[in-house]
Amino acid sequence: NAGVTQTPKFRVLKTGQSMTLLCAQDMNHEYMYWYRQDPGMGLRLIHYSVGEGTTAKGEVPDGYNVSRLKKQNFLLGLESAAPSQTSVYFCASSSRDTQYFGPGTRLTVL
Amino acid sequence: DQQVKQNSPSLSVQEGRISILNCDYTNSMFDYFLWYKKYPAEGPTFLISISSIKDKNEDGRFTVFLNKSAKHLSLHIVPSQPGDSAVYFCAGTDSNYQLIWGAGTKLIIKP
Repeated sequence: NAGVTQTPKFRVLKTGQSMTLLCAQDMNHEYMYWYRQDPGMGLRLIHYSVGEGTTAKGEVPDGYNVSRLKKQNFLLGLESAAPSQTSVYFCASSSRDTQYFGPGTRLTVL
Repeated sequence: DQQVKQNSPSLSVQEGRISILNCDYTNSMFDYFLWYKKYPAEGPTFLISISSIKDKNEDGRFTVFLNKSAKHLSLHIVPSQPGDSAVYFCAGTDSNYQLIWGAGTKLIIKP
């Protein structure tokens, strides 16, 4: 059981570039989440999904898009990266209240 | 509007003593609270939780207390060990499966 995995672990982008972060879970969880964590702040929810084919906006969705084509995968896309999107991104999944997290992706936008 | 507040950015405790981490919330609709632990360069890991219908939940060295009237919860770690050094987050949920997070408290256990 790998739990929740994220790829890539690190990435450096130039302003305006695009990229996709992949999250995969093998726990058959219905719910999946994307968060960002910035220094001195708690985790902030970007987007989430309550099931395959569904997505919803969280607290800070602007500049990001997501897709949940398969139950086990949740993709986070940045169409035109900005320096304000420099952050650590965490994916999580849950069946109820307890969320299980991936190891994170450290993204730097220059 | 911070619905979950952890007012102490850091806390230093001697090894073997009790660590008490505090969390305040404003949302009366929260019915479940969770504590997570996070090491550098890793994702948060679930530690312990408590339902709003309880006032205490215990798991080994970890105990969470909930005071609903004061909208306050605390995590007690007894005895504190070096491996407990980490950032601790509290979070609340109103059963829509979204967690609202505090900013975290960095716990440092001194030898």
